[in-house]
Amino acid sequence: GDSVTQMEGPVTLSEEAFLTINCTYTATGYPSLFWYVQYPGEGLQLLLKATKADDKGSNKGFEATYRKETTSFHLEKGSVQVSDSAVYFCALRVGSNYKLTFGKGTLLTVNP
Amino acid sequence: ETGVTQTPRHLVMGMTNKKSLKCEQHLGHNAMYWYKQSAKKPLELMFVYSLEERVENNSVPSRFSPECPNSSHLFLHLHTLQPEDSALYLCASSQDREEDTQYFGPGTRLTVL
Repeated sequence: GDSVTQMEGPVTLSEEAFLTINCTYTATGYPSLFWYVQYPGEGLQLLLKATKADDKGSNKGFEATYRKETTSFHLEKGSVQVSDSAVYFCALRVGSNYKLTFGKGTLLTVNP
Repeated sequence: ETGVTQTPRHLVMGMTNKKSLKCEQHLGHNAMYWYKQSAKKPLELMFVYSLEERVENNSVPSRFSPECPNSSHLFLHLHTLQPEDSALYLCASSQDREEDTQYFGPGTRLTVL
């Protein structure tokens, strides 16, 4: 079946540090890939997505590139802020399918 | 109200109780979803409704019973739950196609004693 594996947290960084959260996947077909973010007390929000190999999704300074050869979609940001503290979820969808398959989430804490 | 709202935000219930979770979306969407978010586990899709018809039911125990009376409202009726059902229950909605972006509510934190 389809699955997503993302790095275990928690991740703790100082403000302005570089962020990488690793995500790898296995899929039965050709997936679309997503990063969602969940701020404290809120629901998940779509952060960025990529629908085909070598696409780069980007939003709010975050980036992730769809790497088919390594089945990866790592999330990066060059300089994190305290307001980026949240749980980050990697997810995939295969084909025309309502179902999103999520990773377990990675808690990021950014200290001033 | 904007986006996807859920009530109550917190719920504590005994194993013999019956309660309902409510979700409302103010986005004009036609598809609605229930997810379960347990600690240390990936989000699990429970049910999907499209135009008030259930289109997915992912092997969820019958003690969870969804209801979608119209495209703006979704309920999850709960009865004779187990302590392991304690979790955050998230509602989401999307426009109408499977590939459309899902928008999530803040969730209901359920504790079963």
